[in-house]
Amino acid sequence: DAGITQSPRHKVTETGTPVTLRCHQTENHRYMYWYRQDPGHGLRLIHYSYGVKDTDKGEVSDGYSVSRSKTEDFLLTLESATSSQTSVYFCATRGTGGMSYGYTFGSGTRLTVV
Amino acid sequence: KNEVEQSPQNLTAQEGEFITINCSYSVGISALHWLQQHPGGGIVSLFMLSSGKKKHGRLIATINIQEKHSSLHITASHPRDSAVYICAALLSNTGNQFYFGTGTSLTVIP
Repeated sequence: DAGITQSPRHKVTETGTPVTLRCHQTENHRYMYWYRQDPGHGLRLIHYSYGVKDTDKGEVSDGYSVSRSKTEDFLLTLESATSSQTSVYFCATRGTGGMSYGYTFGSGTRLTVV
Repeated sequence: KNEVEQSPQNLTAQEGEFITINCSYSVGISALHWLQQHPGGGIVSLFMLSSGKKKHGRLIATINIQEKHSSLHITASHPRDSAVYICAALLSNTGNQFYFGTGTSLTVIP
């Protein structure tokens, strides 16, 4: 069973519609992150969570919201999708010590807004 | 302004060559992470280090805290090493966030 599962893997949606991406982990990691990856940019942080119901904004949070009601799940919602939100979205988790201190990444979700 | 800079952006090498990818950062760090992303693929962790050197197979990562610089070396490069290599720095003043370089795209030609 994969440590981190992102769903869906691919999605095409229309401008103005809400979209929710899901990240599910079985690592029991405390920290979870949503990043977007675009050509010419490094991974950019959208939002992150440091525990259940504890979230904070990253550098590109406008137009996105998140929720974490359980340790395992971190949801990213695009309130009203725009073409500028066409991107590959990665979820990552991180533990709090030792070998789990580094990131574990999901496989990514390719989102196209038309 | 990017706190983490990588060089080169693109690198092409012949199979068997020794490869070096560089990462520099502007402020103090708690840890540095090297990651690998294959075309169309996910991102995997290669190394986490906060001092010295780590080795895994043909990959070696070093860090010089005083010079604010880390390198990733690949010995006896192989076409399957073709990927984007990303460094991410956990800056000392940012708590729980890593800052990412824009990546180095490596192509190893047979």
